[in-house]
Amino acid sequence: QKEVEQDPGPLSVPEGAIVSLNCTYSNSAFQYFMWYRQYSRKGPELLMYTYSSGNKEDGRFTAQVDKSSKYISLFIRDSQPSDSATYLCAMSWNSGGSNYKLTFGKGTLLTVNP
Amino acid sequence: NAGVMQNPRHLVRRRGQEARLRCSPMKGHSHVYWYRQLPEEGLKFMVYLQKENIIDESGMPKERFSAEFPKEGPSILRIQQVVRGDSAAYFCASSPPIYNEQFFGPGTRLTVL
Repeated sequence: QKEVEQDPGPLSVPEGAIVSLNCTYSNSAFQYFMWYRQYSRKGPELLMYTYSSGNKEDGRFTAQVDKSSKYISLFIRDSQPSDSATYLCAMSWNSGGSNYKLTFGKGTLLTVNP
Repeated sequence: NAGVMQNPRHLVRRRGQEARLRCSPMKGHSHVYWYRQLPEEGLKFMVYLQKENIIDESGMPKERFSAEFPKEGPSILRIQQVVRGDSAAYFCASSPPIYNEQFFGPGTRLTVL
């Protein structure tokens, strides 16, 4: 069983749709949860950063963490064509005072059609 | 403020040659991380360096791979005697001395013929 599982998609939605992206994980030590957006041929860009369980909202983006189920989600409201990208979940735990070692999912390819 | 710079962006090597990948962190960042993204796989942590120190190389293959971050100049990821399985995108990230998040570069895509 991989540490982080993420449905690779591809996922295609019409403009304005609500998008739900998900990851599950097996390592209960993970405490920090992130979502990155990666455009084609570019490096990952941090979208959302959450510590432990709960929700976090930033504009059209909402991140949810359910540690009891080992499940995290990213919701995108009013999706736009510019949201078309690969979305990567990542997580880490506090090791030696730092949480730098990120474990990534494979990424979900999202296309938002105008 | 320029972001993380990586060069070359694309690198083609024949089996048995050496590959050198360079990473210049963001201004003010003293921590560098290297990740590898194999086809159809997620990014995998390779190594964490600070200036002149390797902090964690637990993700580095045991042979042929090495990394450095000298006092002056960019961080270098070196792959000796490349094989086809080394073909991947290699990403560098950097963070400031007080860790908050990692900022990624655009990656170097290595192709081994």
